[in-house]
Amino acid sequence: ETGVTQTPRHLVMGMTNKKSLKCEQHLGHNAMYWYKQSAKKPLELMFVYSLEERVENNSVPSRFSPECPNSSHLFLHLHTLQPEDSALYLCASSQEVQAGNTIYFGEGSWLTVV
Amino acid sequence: AQTVTQSQPEMSVQEAETVTLSCTYDTSESDYYLFWYKQPPSRQMILVIRQEAYKQQNATENRFSVNFQKAAKSFSLKISDSQLGDAAMYFCAYRSDYGGSQGNLIFGKGTKLSVKP
Repeated sequence: ETGVTQTPRHLVMGMTNKKSLKCEQHLGHNAMYWYKQSAKKPLELMFVYSLEERVENNSVPSRFSPECPNSSHLFLHLHTLQPEDSALYLCASSQEVQAGNTIYFGEGSWLTVV
Repeated sequence: AQTVTQSQPEMSVQEAETVTLSCTYDTSESDYYLFWYKQPPSRQMILVIRQEAYKQQNATENRFSVNFQKAAKSFSLKISDSQLGDAAMYFCAYRSDYGGSQGNLIFGKGTKLSVKP
């Protein structure tokens, strides 16, 4: 059983749809992350939140919009996506954002854009 | 910018045997952390082992151990007594200890490990 849960596990959406991915961590951590895993690229960091405040945004297109209402929940709002956005989106958390803190991942949300 | 290279796209090992997965990285920093993560078919990224760069002693977790060569910027993972459940993608990752990109785990492309019964 993972301390980081993601829903939905699978999502198929059209390019004009609006959907959201949800992440919840039960570990009492203060930092949360969104990573993207594509078939032909290494994992890429998208967003970092520390105590609900965004601390890093790695040049992610605006069609991806994160939201962190509290330190246990993280959302990724999706709108007008492109087929190349199809990927596995991994949520993760760590006690603090500093490098010495191990990052723990959820099982991911498979996104297919049609 | 830091990079992580895993030169073995695929590896195979016989059950109960030992296998070593390679990882090299490039950095100009002196303080950092290195990790090995395992990603089975379920797709969850599971931490296998971590190493602090300031520690000379190699990390060990049960059947998993690393050979950390800081000067050579090498960080290999040894799996002893391989089990069928070890079959997965293995990712080597680097994390800076300096400000500005502290949240960023930099991953290699992964090594797919198969375990033969």
